[in-house]
Amino acid sequence: GAVVSQHPSWVICKSGTSVKIECRSLDFQATTMFWYRQFPKQSLMLMATSNEGSKATYEQGVEKDKFLINHASLTLSTLTVTSAHPEDSSFYICSARDGRIAGGGQFFGPGTRLTVL
Amino acid sequence: QQQVKQSPQSLIVQKGGIPIINCAYENTAFDYFPWYQQFPGKGPALLIAIRPDVSEKKEGRFTISFNKSAKQFSLHIMDSQPGDSATYFCAARYSGNTPLVFGKGTRLSVIA
Repeated sequence: GAVVSQHPSWVICKSGTSVKIECRSLDFQATTMFWYRQFPKQSLMLMATSNEGSKATYEQGVEKDKFLINHASLTLSTLTVTSAHPEDSSFYICSARDGRIAGGGQFFGPGTRLTVL
Repeated sequence: QQQVKQSPQSLIVQKGGIPIINCAYENTAFDYFPWYQQFPGKGPALLIAIRPDVSEKKEGRFTISFNKSAKQFSLHIMDSQPGDSATYFCAARYSGNTPLVFGKGTRLSVIA
C-alpha cells in the first residue's frame, strides 16, 4: 500500500516551454501533497504544500507564478513549470499523505528528472 | 537555521556491520520522526518512524533509538548488506498536517 506515482519520470524540454508533472496517490486518498526539489547530493527542498481543493502554500523564495500547483482531487496533484529555463533543471519529487490519519506516513513518488536545454 | 541536524555526512561499513546514523533536533514540538532511504535517481522510501513516547522501535533489520531528553534519535541497520548502500534521511514533523523537515542526509556505503 501507500504508493505514489509520478509522470513523466524524465523530461527534456527547450528553454521557454512549460512542463507539467503529474503526481498520483494510487491506493490512498491524499488530502495533502507536497512538492520537493532535489539537487545532486543534496537534501530535499520543500517547494510547496497543497491541500485538496485549496490553493498551494509556497515556501519562501519559490515563485508561485513559475511553479503552478493544482491539487484538484484526492488522488492527483500537478506541478507545471512555466517558461522553464536551464536553472530549473532538477529532480522534482512529490509526496502525499492522508492528513486525516493522525501520525500517518508521508509517501514519496519516484521523482521526475527535468532537463531544460 | 537547520532544525534537524544529521551526522555523519557519509559512512562506510563492512558487510555485516551495524552503521549508526544520528539526528538531533531543537524544537520539542516535533512529534513524528521518520527515516527515509533513497537510491540514486529514485524517490525516498519510508523505512521506519517513531513517536516521542517510545524509546525504541524495530522493523526487520532497522531500529530507531529515541532519546527525548537529549532531543536525539538514531537509525541502526543490523547485519548491513551491500544492497543497503543508499542515502538515508532523518526527518521530523510537528503535529497536524505540516510538512516534514529533513536532515541533510547520510551516504552509506556497505562494502563486501
